Amino acid sequence: QQQVKQSPQSLIVQKGGISIINCAYENTAFDYFPWYQQFPGKGPALLIAIRPDVSEKKEGRFTISFNKSAKQFSLHIMDSQPGDSATYFCAATNPSTGANSKLTFGKGITLSVRP
Amino acid sequence: DADVTQTPRNRITKTGKRIMLECSQTKGHDRMYWYRQDPGLGLRLIYYSFDVKDINKGEISDGYSVSRQAQAKFSLSLESAIPNQTALYFCATSDSGRGDTQYFGPGTRLTVL
Repeated sequence: QQQVKQSPQSLIVQKGGISIINCAYENTAFDYFPWYQQFPGKGPALLIAIRPDVSEKKEGRFTISFNKSAKQFSLHIMDSQPGDSATYFCAATNPSTGANSKLTFGKGITLSVRP
Repeated sequence: DADVTQTPRNRITKTGKRIMLECSQTKGHDRMYWYRQDPGLGLRLIYYSFDVKDINKGEISDGYSVSRQAQAKFSLSLESAIPNQTALYFCATSDSGRGDTQYFGPGTRLTVL
């Protein structure tokens, strides 16, 4: 049973375009939704995260949109750059404190930004 | 991230061999994790430890064991390696008092022939 599903599986975007990656989750108890970015040869690193009390969070060119009723959240990368080319993982966890706090990751998507 | 180190970075071994992957961290975090990454399957949790005396199985623990030697050290062992354990292995840490962000090491690429 896959609790966090990402789409699309891969994405190619032209420089300057908008990259949109979607994630759907099943467990309504999830209360923390991060996106991790992984460059080739490196470990994943936290990019941006959101909690269900807000519908959107923006950090620079990166925005998370959250739809609690649809159990979906998405990552938008504005003005995409070749340096954004990486693998992106969505994840979810519940609760933020306590013994059960561990992340469930999606399968990841590879983003390629063409010059 | 230099705060989380993994050794070795690359390893080629043969079926049936015992192998240990080591993880050390200088972040002072209490929680540590081992994941494997396979193309198309993403990151899957093998084992996790919330403190030195706490070890928990993840979703794919069969064929693996772990040891938390100290707060800063968490080792993953393959007692008898098999080819389908060929993967990229990551160690991660987090701080129970500061939210859910996990900090990953650079990974170990393991090939089992």
